[in-house]
Amino acid sequence: AQKVTQAQTEISVVEKEDVTLDCVYETRDTTYYLFWYKQPPSGELVFLIRRNSFDEQNEISGRYSWNFQKSTSSFNFTITASQVVDSAVYFCALRGGSGNTGKLIFGQGTTLQVKP
Amino acid sequence: DVKVTQSSRYLVKRTGEKVFLECVQDMDHENMFWYRQDPGLGLRLIYFSYDVKMKEKGDIPEGYSVSREKKERFSLILESASTNQTSMYLCASSSAGPSNQPQHFGDGTRLSIL
Repeated sequence: AQKVTQAQTEISVVEKEDVTLDCVYETRDTTYYLFWYKQPPSGELVFLIRRNSFDEQNEISGRYSWNFQKSTSSFNFTITASQVVDSAVYFCALRGGSGNTGKLIFGQGTTLQVKP
Repeated sequence: DVKVTQSSRYLVKRTGEKVFLECVQDMDHENMFWYRQDPGLGLRLIYFSYDVKMKEKGDIPEGYSVSREKKERFSLILESASTNQTSMYLCASSSAGPSNQPQHFGDGTRLSIL
């Protein structure tokens, strides 16, 4: 069975603080894909990043960085110097490599509130 | 940019009504999906379709049906709406290419069943 766990339900930080959102996944597939999405208050989910299971390179994009560790089945997301506009619900998602129906398994989401 | 359009942002219906939620995508994507989002539960897959006239049950299909008569349009149908179907509904699409293709989402429909 595939599963994604985001243990942090809500996080509150003050602007300019760094914050890490945790994501732990379970899968028996040897090839799989991980995603992060952001859902601002307006409602639409915005794709942030994808990572293939065979590529453990960490990635940095501006203030965002992602740490993928297969050994601990984790794909954590760090926002450096957080801003009020980062306030949103963040979802981690997993897709197995078998078949190509594109189904995603989502975590429960982490609500991030960045206070001015 | 991919555009996924859901017909309504907010919808209020009564118990027992037949409800249609429409979704259209403009990127010629093969795969389309319907999710519902509830607090503490994340997104749960209701139905998906990987081709015209094809459909597959997701994790929570009970009380719902879908229709995909054209590639760009995927409709979710609540046959007889009930109050426990009050939720946020999200439509998504993706290409049938490599499995690392992301899903692209619409703005969502907040449905209230009274």
